[in-house]
Amino acid sequence: AQSVSQHNHHVILSEAASLELGCNYSYGGTVNLFWYVQYPGQHLQLLLKYFSGDPLVKGIKGFEAEFIKSKFSFNLRKPSVQWSDTAEYFCAVNAGQAGTALIFGKGTTLSVSS
Amino acid sequence: NAGVTQTPKFRVLKTGQSMTLLCAQDMNHEYMYWYRQDPGMGLRLIHYSVGEGTTAKGEVPDGYNVSRLKKQNFLLGLESAAPSQTSVYFCASSKAGGRGYGYTFGSGTRLTVV
Repeated sequence: AQSVSQHNHHVILSEAASLELGCNYSYGGTVNLFWYVQYPGQHLQLLLKYFSGDPLVKGIKGFEAEFIKSKFSFNLRKPSVQWSDTAEYFCAVNAGQAGTALIFGKGTTLSVSS
Repeated sequence: NAGVTQTPKFRVLKTGQSMTLLCAQDMNHEYMYWYRQDPGMGLRLIHYSVGEGTTAKGEVPDGYNVSRLKKQNFLLGLESAAPSQTSVYFCASSKAGGRGYGYTFGSGTRLTVV
C-alpha cells in the first residue's frame, strides 16, 4: 500500500528565512505528486503538482518542489517565507492514474513570525 | 462554476443520531472521494466512487456508508454517530483522464458528535 511521510510536524521560521519541507513516499510504480496548503479555517488549495517531465516543479506563491525518483522524495521549497505562509502543508501521492485516490501525509504546520 | 459544494458546513450530533453529508459537483467528474481530517493525522480516505452507481472502501470506512445514485452527487452517511467521528469531512472530485488532471476539494463539513 502507498504511504506518504512528512518528517517535519511543526516548523517555525522568521520572515525571509528559507523553507524546505520533506516528503517521502513508498510506492514502486509511476506516481503523481502533489503539495496542498490549508490556511487556518480554510479548505485545501493546490500549490503544485508533478506528473512527468522536468522534476523541478514551480507552483503558486513562489513555491517549488523537486522530484527525486531515486530517493522517493518530493520536497517543497521556498527561498524566502512570508508571515502569510503560515499554514498547514500536505504532501499527497496517487498511483499515477486518473481517478485513483490521493493518499496524504500527516501534514506539516508552518508558523512564520514577522 | 460552483465546483464542489458540501452541505451542511457545520453540524452537532448526539451520540447515536444519524445524518447524511451531501457532496455535489458540477464539473461532470467521474471520480469522487470522501476524506476525514483529524489533527496530526492528515486526510484519510473514507470511501470513494469511480462512477455513478459504484462505491468502494478507503482507509477508514467503518461506521460510514456512501451512495452515488447520480453522477454529480456523493452522499456520506453516519447511521449511528459516535464521538470518534467528530472530525472535519472533505469531499473531492476528479475527472476520468487527460494530462494534468487534478482534484477539486469542497470547503468541508465540521461535525461534532457529543
